[in-house]
Amino acid sequence: GAGVSQSPSNKVTEKGKDVELRCDPISGHTALYWYRQSLGQGLEFLIYFQGNSAPDKSGLPSDRFSAERTGGSVSTLTIQRTQQEDSAVYLCASSLSHSTDTQYFGPGTRLTVL
Amino acid sequence: GENVEQHPSTLSVQEGDSAVIKCTYSDSASNYFPWYKQELGKRPQLIIDIRSNVGEKKDQRIAVTLNKTAKHFSLHITETQPEDSAVYFCAASIGNFNKFYFGSGTKLNVKP
Repeated sequence: GAGVSQSPSNKVTEKGKDVELRCDPISGHTALYWYRQSLGQGLEFLIYFQGNSAPDKSGLPSDRFSAERTGGSVSTLTIQRTQQEDSAVYLCASSLSHSTDTQYFGPGTRLTVL
Repeated sequence: GENVEQHPSTLSVQEGDSAVIKCTYSDSASNYFPWYKQELGKRPQLIIDIRSNVGEKKDQRIAVTLNKTAKHFSLHITETQPEDSAVYFCAASIGNFNKFYFGSGTKLNVKP
């Protein structure tokens, strides 16, 4: 079946603009995760959803970052007033339901803030 | 919170040799430890995982060991092949919190 998809694949924006990144998880997966990967670095955990609920938002880097998930499916990560340090690849993953279920990653969105 | 450290950052081996990557974690409540392989420009993919009630797990040329007392776990790749060249990430997850902490990655280069 279809895997995790993300859009756009690449996004170039100017400093100060808002951006919205989208993630479509695997159908039936209730857990959804957002990560950030800076060039040559590891994965930084941002937030996860269980259904439409995000119990822990402490991983979001600042209050310019927000995420939502509707209908237990699609999720959007919004970055307001983008800064150059926000430039990174934003990866989404989903798993069946629990943290010990295999996470399947999307291809990522490469965000470049000029 | 949890802190996962991964060593080495780069590892170069000759084809056919073994490779070992080590990770330590800080929170004794962590109970799930997956390993991911990320080829250049591609998404991370799970290659093996281990739960805290198991000390070792093998899958063909790949094995993972876990020492709960010392709070470290390791990835072992035997008979390495050039296609094993990639960045490998370890991770730790705590209980039911669905929150993952990743190591900084190990770039493995297998020389033919």
